[in-house]
Amino acid sequence: DQQVKQNSPSLSVQEGRISILNCDYTNSMFDYFLWYKKYPAEGPTFLISISSIKDKNEDGRFTVFLNKSAKHLSLHIVPSQPGDSAVYFCAAPLNTNAGKSTFGDGTTLTVKP
Amino acid sequence: NAGVTQTPKFRILKIGQSMTLQCTQDMNHNYMYWYRQDPGMGLKLIYYSVGAGITDKGEVPNGYNVSRSTTEDFPLRLELAAPSQTSVYFCASSPFLSEKLFFGSGTQLSVL
Repeated sequence: DQQVKQNSPSLSVQEGRISILNCDYTNSMFDYFLWYKKYPAEGPTFLISISSIKDKNEDGRFTVFLNKSAKHLSLHIVPSQPGDSAVYFCAAPLNTNAGKSTFGDGTTLTVKP
Repeated sequence: NAGVTQTPKFRILKIGQSMTLQCTQDMNHNYMYWYRQDPGMGLKLIYYSVGAGITDKGEVPNGYNVSRSTTEDFPLRLELAAPSQTSVYFCASSPFLSEKLFFGSGTQLSVL
């Protein structure tokens, strides 16, 4: 029972355009979400987060939007750059009562020059 | 500032062998985690620890054991390796449960 889902395994965009990565969750008790970025042969690194008291959080080219009623969040990258090509994971904090993973399966973003 | 350090980076095991994946962090974080990532999949939690002497199972603990004798170290033990344990293993830490995770660079393990 995956509590955080990323339904698009891959996304390809042109350099300079917007990249939109989506994530859905099932547990309405989640009050904090994080996005991680992962390059090949490296560990994931934290990218941006959002608290449920907000519907938007921006950090430079990266913006995360949260729609609590739809249990949906999205990561926008504008403008996309070739160096953004990586796997992006959506995650929620660990629920220690369930001990379940709270990472989505990831979306592989390819930004073409 | 090393962060989270995992060793080894690569390892090939034969079926039935055992090994320990080492993980150490120098950030004085209370929480530590072990994840595995299979190809094309997300991160699955194996075990986690909320502090020295306290560990708990994640969603895929079978075939693994952990210990947390110090704040810094959180080794993962594989007993009787099986091909199903072929994966990339990541250790992570965080200061609090709801904070961002700091990951090590991973251990690529193949069981043949």
